[in-house]
Amino acid sequence: EAGVAQSPRYKIIEKRQSVAFWCNPISGHATLYWYQQILGQGPKLLIQFQNNGVVDDSQLPKDRFSAERLKGVDSTLKIQPAKLEDSAVYLCASSFRASNTGELFFGEGSRLTVL
Amino acid sequence: AQSVTQPDIHITVSEGASLELRCNYSYGATPYLFWYVQSPGQGLQLLLKYFSGDTLVQGIKGFEAEFKRSQSSFNLRKPSVHWSDAAEYFCAVGPPGGGGADGLTFGKGTHLIIQP
Repeated sequence: EAGVAQSPRYKIIEKRQSVAFWCNPISGHATLYWYQQILGQGPKLLIQFQNNGVVDDSQLPKDRFSAERLKGVDSTLKIQPAKLEDSAVYLCASSFRASNTGELFFGEGSRLTVL
Repeated sequence: AQSVTQPDIHITVSEGASLELRCNYSYGATPYLFWYVQSPGQGLQLLLKYFSGDTLVQGIKGFEAEFKRSQSSFNLRKPSVHWSDAAEYFCAVGPPGGGGADGLTFGKGTHLIIQP
């Protein structure tokens, strides 16, 4: 079974530039999450999708971050314009059910460096 | 608001020795509890989880964890560590009942170093 795919693995940009990250969850997984992991900290939830609808985006900095999951499968997370403090690993995770009783499967992450 | 505290940033253990990683949480009710492991450059992998019932739960790779309601703790243990256990370990909590907004809240992690 293929795991959660993320790209790019690494991205270096200058502040005020834009960047986009892509995630392809495990086939059949209805729930998709984006987490931000700053160096030395645990992952922080940015947004949760159930199919193509947003369930929770309360911690997403909406002035610069946006995310979509148009067809309920792939998802894209965009940052525009980027700030220095956005340097982090962006983790995508998916689960089969709309319930955290199911296991979350994480991708390897996309590491962003903002200069 | 919920929070997770992992008081040990780094722990060094000799190979073959026992291990205990501490986790304390703050939550309005008894949450769902999880331990995840992250190897360098990798995503997180679930070790074990607690929802209800027996307070001692078994996980993969020989790990176990014990839920203590009175102490709001969910410590991870392993009787004998292997060099391959060197990694970052995260404790996490999630809302009970499932469904709806159920994103996890993670601790800051404990970096486990195994010395020969």
